[in-house]
Amino acid sequence: EIVLTQSPTTMAASPGEKVTLTCRASSSVSYMHWYQQRSGASPKLWIYETSKLASGVPNRFSGSGSGTSYSLTINSMETEDAATYYCQQGSSYPPTFGGGTKLELK
Amino acid sequence: QVQLTESGPGLVHPSETLSLTCTVSGFSLTGYSVYWVRQPSGKGLEWMGRMRYNGDTSYNSALKSRLSISRDTSKNQVFLKMNSLQTDDTGTYYCTRDRYKGVMDAWGQGASVTVSS
Repeated sequence: EIVLTQSPTTMAASPGEKVTLTCRASSSVSYMHWYQQRSGASPKLWIYETSKLASGVPNRFSGSGSGTSYSLTINSMETEDAATYYCQQGSSYPPTFGGGTKLELK
Repeated sequence: QVQLTESGPGLVHPSETLSLTCTVSGFSLTGYSVYWVRQPSGKGLEWMGRMRYNGDTSYNSALKSRLSISRDTSKNQVFLKMNSLQTDDTGTYYCTRDRYKGVMDAWGQGASVTVSS
């Protein structure tokens, strides 16, 4: 199975700051999906097929990458972006998740 | 409007069997696959298994010996049964819809399960 490693595990960002979260796969995958999970809530699809924003996701978010290296970028951090973000691959069975990056507001 | 709702007992005793139901609306179980994903308290997400749109099932190899997933299409329900529960099975259990390519585009609110005597 493909192991996904996210970094950093935890980080804090100030409002307006640019943020980049990374996800590395143990083998090449065709695309990556990302989920946002706020405290006490269910995960929500955030970015799919590497770079497509899910419905309602602000365009300050973007996704990129290929092969074994993927990233999620927030162009300008806002208060509501504080959450845990998980990457997930579905191109190789079984689907697997990264361990998550907890993004806090500084 | 796509919705998934998990239901089941909040407390299970060690060595007993967990039974959860996922009731869906807004889409057909014969058109979409449904996954079960769990989250131990304070930890990350683990894919458990799936009920495919055609009725086939697949399981996480680490759980395969304990896990069974079934469905009743007439009731729009998918069922999870896992036996021999231990304390490290405590957490929140989600059912999700697979849009395609493993994209989990809708999630239930989660069922909190505590394994304790």
